[in-house]
Amino acid sequence: NAGVMQNPRHLVRRRGQEARLRCSPMKGHSHVYWYRQLPEEGLKFMVYLQKENIIDESGMPKERFSAEFPKEGPSILRIQQVVRGDSAAYFCASSPRFSEQFFGPGTRLTVL
Amino acid sequence: AQTVTQSQPEMSVQEAETVTLSCTYDTSENNYYLFWYKQPPSRQMILVIRQEAYKQQNATENRFSVNFQKAAKSFSLKISDSQLGDTAMYFCAFMLDSGNTPLVFGKGTRLSVIA
Repeated sequence: NAGVMQNPRHLVRRRGQEARLRCSPMKGHSHVYWYRQLPEEGLKFMVYLQKENIIDESGMPKERFSAEFPKEGPSILRIQQVVRGDSAAYFCASSPRFSEQFFGPGTRLTVL
Repeated sequence: AQTVTQSQPEMSVQEAETVTLSCTYDTSENNYYLFWYKQPPSRQMILVIRQEAYKQQNATENRFSVNFQKAAKSFSLKISDSQLGDTAMYFCAFMLDSGNTPLVFGKGTRLSVIA
């Protein structure tokens, strides 16, 4: 059973460009969480999704950030018009119903 | 809102020795889970150990054990017989037991195991 997959592992963008981060949950997992880790910090919750639904987006900035988890395909975290402060590691975690979360390897976003 | 505090930014331990990492948390809820995650230089988040708040018995996983003090809201991690591969950031995390809820993480403790 493959683990949580994230791609790309590293992403470099210039200020003002768009960043798209993908997360494929473990087989059988229908719950996806996105977290952001700034340098020398712990992970901070951004958004929680189930298939085709955003359940909790209380940790996600209102501007420029969006997330989706379509019926088919991976979950996508999209950051429009990136700024230097968006540079961070973005982690996705998946879980089956009411259980612990399994993390992907993360995507390190660098904004030049 | 729940908070998790790790008061030791950095620690070091000699190989084969024992080290204890501290974690305190704040919540008004009664049912929850606590976790310790390890993040080595590869940045992969690896679950080390979990504790259900309703269980009085402390969780153990091989060389890793916890001291869970519910009344004091304390959840420390003990690593016995430390190995060089234990060098990593360690994060304490909290999760409510009310369906799928997000993890709340502490800021982490950087552990260095010295040969």
